[in-house]
Amino acid sequence: DAKTTQPPSMDCAEGRAANLPCNHSTISGNEYVYWYRQIHSQGPQYIIHGLKNNETNEMASLIITEDRKSSTLILPHATLRDTAVYYCIVRVDSYGQNFVFGPGTRLSVLP
Amino acid sequence: SAVISQKPSRDICQRGTSLTIQCQVDSQVTMMFWYRQQPGQSLTLIATANQGSEATYESGFVIDKFPISRPNLTFSTLTVSNMSPEDSSIYLCSVAGRGQGRVAGELFFGEGSRLTVL
Repeated sequence: DAKTTQPPSMDCAEGRAANLPCNHSTISGNEYVYWYRQIHSQGPQYIIHGLKNNETNEMASLIITEDRKSSTLILPHATLRDTAVYYCIVRVDSYGQNFVFGPGTRLSVLP
Repeated sequence: SAVISQKPSRDICQRGTSLTIQCQVDSQVTMMFWYRQQPGQSLTLIATANQGSEATYESGFVIDKFPISRPNLTFSTLTVSNMSPEDSSIYLCSVAGRGQGRVAGELFFGEGSRLTVL
């Protein structure tokens, strides 16, 4: 079973920040938080990952709480092309470890 | 990063037949994964395929139904055997690699094979 809990769906206005929450209260000390997204009819795409510190890249920012029991993915200026299902996954950073996908959050960016 | 090509991209099949899905990667990779995504659902891992060894199947998936080949480090096939309408899904091939995210074992996905069983 997935180790994360996410809201099933969210709406966001185009141009505004999209904040997608994820709860992972049973996360272990050596598990990372990963975010992937799946745009309709495509394979999932890596967005960002982190262990303890907040992370930022060209796609998004990841805010992890100090106790690491929850995190938020931030898309700073959502566009219509960001409409997708977003998956939060916790996993040990190792080639041999499987990615367990939960139901994810279906984000709809509205014009 | 890795570029993954899957064939066929979609197919419509009759009940009781079998279909083999091919996955080609543009670089050598040790681990390849096969996922299933049923309509409106999330991804479920079917099996892990390592070159030179038998595939490792997840609970609920068996080799007789989903035989997998891994003849070399760039290619794998998944066969869906004796299909029924319940097998209608998207089947996704993925590989573990070190991408621009510099994540060990970061997953790269193909575009998937959409299978409809009548």
